[in-house]
Amino acid sequence: DVKVTQSSRYLVKRTGEKVFLECVQDMDHENMFWYRQDPGLGLRLIYFSYDVKMKEKGDIPEGYSVSREKKERFSLILESASTNQTSMYLCASSPGDGNEQFFGPGTRLTVL
Amino acid sequence: GQQLNQSPQSMFIQEGEDVSMNCTSSSIFNTWLWYKQDPGEGPVLLIALYKAGELTSNGRLTAQFGITRKDSFLNISASIPSDVGIYFCAGRSSGTYKYIFGTGTRLKVLA
Repeated sequence: DVKVTQSSRYLVKRTGEKVFLECVQDMDHENMFWYRQDPGLGLRLIYFSYDVKMKEKGDIPEGYSVSREKKERFSLILESASTNQTSMYLCASSPGDGNEQFFGPGTRLTVL
Repeated sequence: GQQLNQSPQSMFIQEGEDVSMNCTSSSIFNTWLWYKQDPGEGPVLLIALYKAGELTSNGRLTAQFGITRKDSFLNISASIPSDVGIYFCAGRSSGTYKYIFGTGTRLKVLA
């Protein structure tokens, strides 16, 4: 059974804090993605990675960075959290041919 | 970022009824995916489509890859209360790993 896990389901942080969101997949997938989901705005791509140590900006990378040191793990970093980064964060992975994309359960982040 | 047009936006149906929804794009896609998302959860992949005209089923769900490659359709037969949720389409063009997502169809089933 394919599995994408995220380190936290719910997270509450203060403005200015550094925040780490972790994602792990057990499917040996080459590609990994970070999205945020907001009402009325749908799913928006923040960053994706197509190989270890490789990354590309998505549609809304500002205020975020990522790290992929191992194939199975993709981290999203908020260097200095702001209230407008309160959102549902979803990690996903897909195989090298790009077909199918599997999501994790999501992390609901609240920044106060 | 770009979003795909998905309709209807929401629908109330009676238990036992069939449901249809569709997704349209201005671009040609090589892959269409359909997901279901429950409140507070991540989207769950329902069906993947890879060829124009392809019709694929998963239980009571059937999805089709439109022959123009710019649209896709999802049908749910004999709906049940647990079908409640938001259904998303996603499309991908050749040469990219990135998917574009639909705006979602919120389904409510009345028992």
